[in-house]
Parts: sequence; C-alpha cells; structure tokens
Amino acid sequence: DARVTQTPRHKVTEMGQEVTMRCQPILGHNTVFWYRQTMMQGLELLAYFRNRAPLDDSGMPKDRFSAEMPDATLATLKIQPSEPRDSAVYFCASTSPGQGADQPQHFGDGTRLSIL
Amino acid sequence: GENVEQHPSTLSVQEGDSAVIKCTYSDSASNYFPWYKQELGKRPQLIIDIRSNVGEKKDQRIAVTLNKTAKHFSLHITETQPEDSAVYFCAASTNYGQNFVFGPGTRLSVLP
Repeated sequence: DARVTQTPRHKVTEMGQEVTMRCQPILGHNTVFWYRQTMMQGLELLAYFRNRAPLDDSGMPKDRFSAEMPDATLATLKIQPSEPRDSAVYFCASTSPGQGADQPQHFGDGTRLSIL
Repeated sequence: GENVEQHPSTLSVQEGDSAVIKCTYSDSASNYFPWYKQELGKRPQLIIDIRSNVGEKKDQRIAVTLNKTAKHFSLHITETQPEDSAVYFCAASTNYGQNFVFGPGTRLSVLP
C-alpha cells in the first residue's frame, strides 16, 4: 500500500532554530501539497507543487517559510527562524495526474512541531 | 477563488442514528468533491468522493449527494457507530487540482 512518508514525525526545538520537514510523495504522483493544522482545526494550505514547480505558495509566510522540491521524490518545508506560533501539525499530501479529472489527495502522517 | 463552507461545525448523534454533513461551494467550475475523515492524532483519509457527472454515490453506510445547480453536496452516514467519531472534511476542486479547497471540518461524536 503506497503511502506518503513524512519525516520527522515529531520535532521539538527552541524558537529561533531552523526547522526542516521532509516529504516523500507516492511514487508517480506529480502534485505535492503542504498543509498546516492547529488543534484539530481546518487544513490551511501553505503551498503546492506540480511537476516540482511551485504553483501556489500564497498561504505561506514568506519571511520565514520556504518550500522546495529538489527532485520528484522529495519535498521540503523549512522554517527559519521558527517561532512558538509555528507549533502545529504539518501535513504533506500528494496526488497523481488524472485522466482530465482530479484524483484524491493522499496524506502523510504529519510532522508534529513544537516550538518552545 | 473557491470558498467551501461546511455545516454543522459539531454534530452529536446517538449510536445507530444517521448523520448528515452539508457543504456549499462557490466556484461553478468545481467538478470533484472528496470527503476525508480524520481521527484524533491521525492523518486525513479519503472515505468517499464524487465527480460532477454523478448525483449520488454510495459505499456501504456512507453516501454522498451532489446538487450542482445549488452548488452543495452532502455526506450521509447511516447506522452510526462509535468508530465513526472523527472530524470530517469536505473539499471542492477543479480540474488538475488548481483550486483544491477544504471546508473547515465537522466534529462528529457518536454517543453509545
């Protein structure tokens, strides 16, 4: 059963430190999404990529957040410097190219980030 | 851009009763409507989806209906069980996921 893999699963660090979260999409999926979720609230879209190109990162605070896809098997989300308000669960999701129609997003297990 | 509203935000039902969650969307170009279930501490998981060329789809105790004219779609869960307790998210999307938007979620509690 193919799954989206996220690392680390948990991260605790002090404010001001750099945080890097990684996502391995399902093999063959060409669209990758990053979401943030706080206290079981809604899914806030931060950014997404298609064929490794960023299509929308309007939900991401540009001054401290950056998202990249160095290759088709790896997406990264970085926060520098981190702040306590960044504490949340960060989900990565991927989807495959459809036959002219959308396909569902498959979510990873998330990275639970705590900034002290 | 697309806006998805979801109601109610919380829902409590007795075990065995039915639960209905409703979503509305704003972009008439949306043509794909998935529903996700998220249990506490877990990832959202797809439970059912519907495309705009279909008005209703059913999978065991779960069904989804779509009214494109009114731009709303609903999730129906029959014979609810305690394990149905979770947060449910609806979403709307246009072709190729250019505009994939989630609703704010509904917290469903099934009381024994």
